[in-house]
Amino acid sequence: QVQLQESGPGLVKISGTLSLTCAVSGDSISSSFWWSWVRQPPGKGLEWVGEIFHSGTTNYKSSLKSRVTISVDKFKNQFSLEMTSVTAADTAVYYCAREEGHCSGGECYVKLGYWGQGTLVTVSS
Amino acid sequence: SSELTQDPAVSVALGQTARITCQGDSLRRYYATWYQQRPGQAPVVVFFDKTNRPSGIPDRFSGSTSGNTASLTITGARAEDEADYYCQSRDSTTNHLLFGGGTKLTVL
Repeated sequence: QVQLQESGPGLVKISGTLSLTCAVSGDSISSSFWWSWVRQPPGKGLEWVGEIFHSGTTNYKSSLKSRVTISVDKFKNQFSLEMTSVTAADTAVYYCAREEGHCSGGECYVKLGYWGQGTLVTVSS
Repeated sequence: SSELTQDPAVSVALGQTARITCQGDSLRRYYATWYQQRPGQAPVVVFFDKTNRPSGIPDRFSGSTSGNTASLTITGARAEDEADYYCQSRDSTTNHLLFGGGTKLTVL
């Protein structure tokens, strides 16, 4: 049973740095999957933040790219999110998730099949 | 365009059929994955790929795609289907994952 668990401070000061970790159990972070961060501001929709492969290859949402770093720790079987210069607009529930995808004959899908429970991060002065 | 567009709200009478749509150019290459999210919970996949439903998801949930529009159909809606539904795919140019804005389904 694959399980993901987010952890980190629930309160971050404006202009500070948000740091979260996602601990993975039931699967190896070095398996053939990508690992994602998704956030959801209170009362709003889901927003993809970025993803990482165990090799360290990353892909970030363009509007967040200058402030976001996702890293992987193979020894601890976890991956992390760091977001700098945060504002109140970064207040959200942050989820980590495992991606699964497949392409065949030019037809593809990708899904986030396993999610953490989410952790609320509030940015405030 | 690298966006996915959903109607903000859909309502359906108990036992009737609800259809939730998602529109975007990325759907011409990537099938939509559909998520159900209940208040205070993480999203759960209810349909993905061309014809796949995860184990444990009732067969009243089905999906389809035509051109740049994907649809999630709930046949015989039940009270417990009331939730927010999100579509998701990938932009093949940027490789970014995309989410629709979400549709709030109300079962009357």
